Amino acid sequence: SQQGEEDPQALSIQEGENATMNCSYKTSINNLQWYRQNSGRGLVHLILIRSNEREKHSGRLRVTLDTSKKSSSLLITASRAADTASYFCATAGGNTGFQKLVFGTGTRLLVSP
Amino acid sequence: NAGVTQTPKFQVLKTGQSMTLQCAQDMNHEYMSWYRQDPGMGLRLIHYSVGAGITDQGEVPNGYNVSRSTTEDFPLRLLSAAPSQTSVYFCASSYSPSGYNEQFFGPGTRLTVL
Repeated sequence: SQQGEEDPQALSIQEGENATMNCSYKTSINNLQWYRQNSGRGLVHLILIRSNEREKHSGRLRVTLDTSKKSSSLLITASRAADTASYFCATAGGNTGFQKLVFGTGTRLLVSP
Repeated sequence: NAGVTQTPKFQVLKTGQSMTLQCAQDMNHEYMSWYRQDPGMGLRLIHYSVGAGITDQGEVPNGYNVSRSTTEDFPLRLLSAAPSQTSVYFCASSYSPSGYNEQFFGPGTRLTVL
């Protein structure tokens, strides 16, 4: 069963705008990860945030985690056409089970020039 | 480093046929896993391994077998292909045996079962 649910399912923006996507999950976790998938390719790890962290930055990416609400958000600032991809959250540990990553259903982001 | 490699890239099978999807990594990672990705769904874990000789089931293991005789290789066998196994299959590896940390994914195998 899916642990994470991303929202929105699809997002269309112009280059230069910010993109925000959200992930909600159901059980306690050890960490939450975000991955990007370009069309027809494998997933690429973007960022990992542990359950005791509230915010993390990596370049133009900002991730927040609210364990009380069981939710996370990924913000991409100053989007570029190359950011067009699907983005997935994945949860690890806690009640999701040791040694397993459980993925959400993804957000499709389209960034137009 | 080649990272995680998968072969073949595409495969068409008839119902009832068997085949093996190959996965190899050259990063000396202990943890390896297989996922399937279906339209509108995220990745679902099929089987995983925390080291040579150790495998376990994931969320959707039925119809698939795995073995791990070396650290580098983790093949996925379809015993008797069914149309429900039409999917894109991804292999992944992680340096941490727990699988908690960053996973590195292969490019995927697109399988169609007629």
